[in-house]
Amino acid sequence: DTAVSQTPKYLVTQMGNDKSIKCEQNLGHDTMYWYKQDSKKFLKIMFSYNNKELIINETVPNRFSPKSPDKAHLNLHINSLELGDSAVYFCASSHTGLAGGLYNEQFFGPGTRLTVL
Amino acid sequence: DQQVKQNSPSLSVQEGRISILNCDYTNSMFDYFLWYKKYPAEGPTFLISISSIKDKNEDGRFTVFLNKSAKHLSLHIVPSQPGDSAVYFCAASAFRGGGLVFGKGTKLTVNP
Repeated sequence: DTAVSQTPKYLVTQMGNDKSIKCEQNLGHDTMYWYKQDSKKFLKIMFSYNNKELIINETVPNRFSPKSPDKAHLNLHINSLELGDSAVYFCASSHTGLAGGLYNEQFFGPGTRLTVL
Repeated sequence: DQQVKQNSPSLSVQEGRISILNCDYTNSMFDYFLWYKKYPAEGPTFLISISSIKDKNEDGRFTVFLNKSAKHLSLHIVPSQPGDSAVYFCAASAFRGGGLVFGKGTKLTVNP
């Protein structure tokens, strides 16, 4: 039973295109995140959504737009793709309420490797 | 500017021995510290965590130690097993629901 799933796993596209990555969690968590792992293997937070509301936006170009239709989904839309967008994108989720984990444990999806040609 | 640093890119240990992975941080606002394990082509898997009010947390073979005054934490794995071979990431956050700030990772190899 997959806890945090992402589709697609691989995405190859041309510069200038618009693409979306989908993320779903079945853990009942109230907060979801997008992270980017670049070519130097650094994992960096991009966005955080709590109960469908944006709470973190880390200096990400506005070509990137997260969309949360409900608490279980957080999709990432990227417009006008550039070469530098090539990376692995990870979705994650956590429970920030008192009944959840004590220490902000976040659970990650398998990642989507985006290659922009 | 890296707020979370893992200065050893790799570590090699014999099976059965102790593995010690180190992590330093600079932001005194961090309240939560976590360790993740990552295999190639998979997402990071949560391993163990600790809050700033504690100095030790243990879960089976894994123990995390926090020295808040030195802004240093370490992960001890004992005994180490070949299946522990992976990249280990140290991460920190200032509040629940906040983004995690990750180190660059340490690749652990446990030799049979």
